[in-house]
Amino acid sequence: DTGVSQDPRHKITKRGQNVTFRCDPISEHNRLYWYRQTLGQGPEFLTYFQNEAQLEKSRLLSDRFSAERPKGSFSTLEIQRTEQGDSAMYLCASSPLRTVTQYFGPGTRLTVL
Amino acid sequence: DAKTTQPNSMESNEEEPVHLPCNHSTISGTDYIHWYRQLPSQGPEYVIHGLTSNVNNRMASLAIAEDRKSSTLILHRATLRDAAVYYCILRDVPRSGNTPLVFGKGTRLSVIA
Repeated sequence: DTGVSQDPRHKITKRGQNVTFRCDPISEHNRLYWYRQTLGQGPEFLTYFQNEAQLEKSRLLSDRFSAERPKGSFSTLEIQRTEQGDSAMYLCASSPLRTVTQYFGPGTRLTVL
Repeated sequence: DAKTTQPNSMESNEEEPVHLPCNHSTISGTDYIHWYRQLPSQGPEYVIHGLTSNVNNRMASLAIAEDRKSSTLILHRATLRDAAVYYCILRDVPRSGNTPLVFGKGTRLSVIA
């Protein structure tokens, strides 16, 4: 399977713990995006990278959130001191530089107890 | 990106055509109309996009009004696997390139056997 993969698929954590998610984009896709989706809503943009450079961060991305793409391939999204409001599906997408289509992974569902 | 309006939900019988409407009265001349869909427990997937002319691909057809203030995604024969949330998204591709997608709540399509 050469699609976007995300790990883990599900994560349950206690409030105050740190969590880290990983996204492996489609090979050679320059752009990588993170979105968050809560129940009944469409996905909301968090941040995106072009190669290893983080180009934009949403206002939704509080100081507790950090994302990296150190070698321009896989990316990690870390949430520190999780809160119950962080419970959501975290989606990753990738795209080549000069096409309009974004390819999404299956998401990581986070539950904060 | 300009705003879109879609019905919250629609229902269709299996093997019948489905017309999913989208209103975008504030569309600008360079906004492309994109459609994505999200099957249950999956990330969104690209369906189709267009600028002015009607578009067809293996998944669906996109009919764009002459004034471009509305469009319709057409599934020619709905199957149970087409049950999903369908999102209509405007993107100023020439100006903004492959920037993050701005999702609304979409239309939840139910298909009845």
